[in-house]
Amino acid sequence: DTGVSQDPRHKITKRGQNVTFRCDPISEHNRLYWYRQTLGQGPEFLTYFQNEAQLEKSRLLSDRFSAERPKGSFSTLEIQRTEQGDSAMYLCASTWAGLEENIQYFGAGTRLSVL
Amino acid sequence: AQSVAQPEDQVNVAEGNPLTVKCTYSVSGNPYLFWYVQYPNRGLQFLLKYITGDNLVKGSYGFEAEFNKSQTSFHLKKPSALVSDSALYFCAVRDGAGGYNKLIFGAGTRLAVHP
Repeated sequence: DTGVSQDPRHKITKRGQNVTFRCDPISEHNRLYWYRQTLGQGPEFLTYFQNEAQLEKSRLLSDRFSAERPKGSFSTLEIQRTEQGDSAMYLCASTWAGLEENIQYFGAGTRLSVL
Repeated sequence: AQSVAQPEDQVNVAEGNPLTVKCTYSVSGNPYLFWYVQYPNRGLQFLLKYITGDNLVKGSYGFEAEFNKSQTSFHLKKPSALVSDSALYFCAVRDGAGGYNKLIFGAGTRLAVHP
């Protein structure tokens, strides 16, 4: 257990519905990342927060996706009007901008299935 | 652009034999390289990293990796494989553009250790 927790672990939804995932990073970590992993592929970067500021968004993050990190603690990732192509594992990672800043610690992920 | 390649989809090895999982990279500047392991329905677990210094890096669970600048490789190795090492292994390089330090992952290599 790395200390990064994600909820829910699994989500099944119908096409067109909205879904929201939550990530609780390791408490002293000020950097938080979201990645998406599809079957047979490595994780792909989606977005990055330093404290509460969202500093980078991938082109993979269409306007149906939004992420927040209020107060620089937990983060949420919302997908509106889900499509079958959104089916994937969504991974959250956190790290500290200090001596060990290069090691990102990952949660177990939220597996999304869009029917 | 930073990238990594894992040329083997799967590696099969007998328990007790040495194992090697290959990774090559392409970066501008000095590479920051990582290996992560993923067990079924789990997030990624950090194994080891290369930032600078000795070309042979030791990590968790008896794994080590050899950095070779001339061959732009960062192969993962273990002297004696265990059945419990069977998992999905990802090589990653840090993309430091903007200071955001996101990770760029390879497609992964499935390691199967047979009794």
